[in-house]
Amino acid sequence: QVQLQESGPGLVKPSETLSLTCTVSGGSVNSANYYWSWIRQPPGKGLEWIGHIYASGNTNYNASLKSRLTMSIDTSKSQFSLKLSSVIAADTAVYYCARLEAGTSDYFDYWGQGTLVTVSS
Amino acid sequence: QSALTQPAFVSGSPGQSITISCTGTSSDVGAYNYVSWYQQHPGKAPKLMIYDVNNRPSGISNRFSGSKSGNTASLTISGLQAADEADYYCGSYTSSGTRLFGTGTKVTVL
Repeated sequence: QVQLQESGPGLVKPSETLSLTCTVSGGSVNSANYYWSWIRQPPGKGLEWIGHIYASGNTNYNASLKSRLTMSIDTSKSQFSLKLSSVIAADTAVYYCARLEAGTSDYFDYWGQGTLVTVSS
Repeated sequence: QSALTQPAFVSGSPGQSITISCTGTSSDVGAYNYVSWYQQHPGKAPKLMIYDVNNRPSGISNRFSGSKSGNTASLTISGLQAADEADYYCGSYTSSGTRLFGTGTKVTVL
């Protein structure tokens, strides 16, 4: 059974960089057809796709966040990471990491429990 | 890109059927059979209920079904149960290779 777990600071100051890591267990981040994704949900609001990274390091980002976003992957540790720079209050959200199966199908099948990140001074 | 459009609220009595719509464009929902649906209970992570328009993952009740016509996808829940009360989100692949979610629908069991 694949499991994902987010980790990182729960509080970030405005203008600073939000950094989160997702650790994958029960499966390999090197598996074909899987993309490792970040999705966020502001309090009381809907889901927003942030972007994803493949084992090769190829990325695809939400255009509205692209200028502030960096994703990376460490296959030796089965981890992938998110960095969002110059954060503002609107970046306050529960951040989820998830596995995206893509290719002949397309869906998020495994999700982390989510971690709340608050942007506040 | 704007989120896919869903009704904010849908309700039904136990045992009834309800349908949630998800409207996109010819660049996402209408272009590919890559629509998925997620159930989210309060404080929990979303759970995959339907993928590729009308496929159920292992363990998901056959009371949940999906369909698509043009730019609009739909999720139908038949034999509505109290446990089905949750938020539901559609998701779609887009022509730019990005992913989009719907605005979300709160399902209430009366």
